[in-house]
Amino acid sequence: GENVEQHPSTLSVQEGDSAVIKCTYSDSASNYFPWYKQELGKGPQLIIDIRSNVGEKKDQRIAVTLNKTAKHFSLHITETQPEDSAVYFCAASTYSGAGSYQLTFGKGTKLSVIP
Amino acid sequence: NAGVTQTPKFRVLKTGQSMTLLCAQDMNHEYMYWYRQDPGMGLRLIHYSVGEGTTAKGEVPDGYNVSRLKKQNFLLGLESAAPSQTSVYFCASSYILAGVGEQYFGPGTRLTVT
Repeated sequence: GENVEQHPSTLSVQEGDSAVIKCTYSDSASNYFPWYKQELGKGPQLIIDIRSNVGEKKDQRIAVTLNKTAKHFSLHITETQPEDSAVYFCAASTYSGAGSYQLTFGKGTKLSVIP
Repeated sequence: NAGVTQTPKFRVLKTGQSMTLLCAQDMNHEYMYWYRQDPGMGLRLIHYSVGEGTTAKGEVPDGYNVSRLKKQNFLLGLESAAPSQTSVYFCASSYILAGVGEQYFGPGTRLTVT
């Protein structure tokens, strides 16, 4: 099955600096890579995603890059703000048979933005 | 729209007791999922459903059962709770098109088994 590795597990940055979180996946058939943000006491929420036919996608201060050859993808947050502090999860979508797809999640990165 | 709701929010069980967690979604999504979240382990898929009346096993299905009798509801059952099932449980739902679809998560249920 799919295996998703995420690094680092914790990350502290000064407000205004950039943050980068990296993930690798094992299944070359994976075709969809979302990133979720989880605030304390809440469920994860999608912040950005990328499909396997795209190399980079941006949404304001957030960007995701995908290298299919190397099987890794990264989340970039620029001009970090205290409200960016949360746990971030990467995931990869794989086909699990009978027309169904599953997401395999990384173990998460706790991002702390220091004012 | 309420999105995805979960009942209850918190529960404490004694070893051997049973309970059912209820998930409801009002987005007419075909797919529904149950995950558990443990410290340092991320989100692990327990069971999922690709439509009303269907269920399938995920990564960690042992000790759990599920049912999807109505499209909008997905129930997770623990027949005989064990301390290892202490966790935060999240339900999610999604549409799927060509392997792509945002999963919408509920607020979670914090379960403690003593």
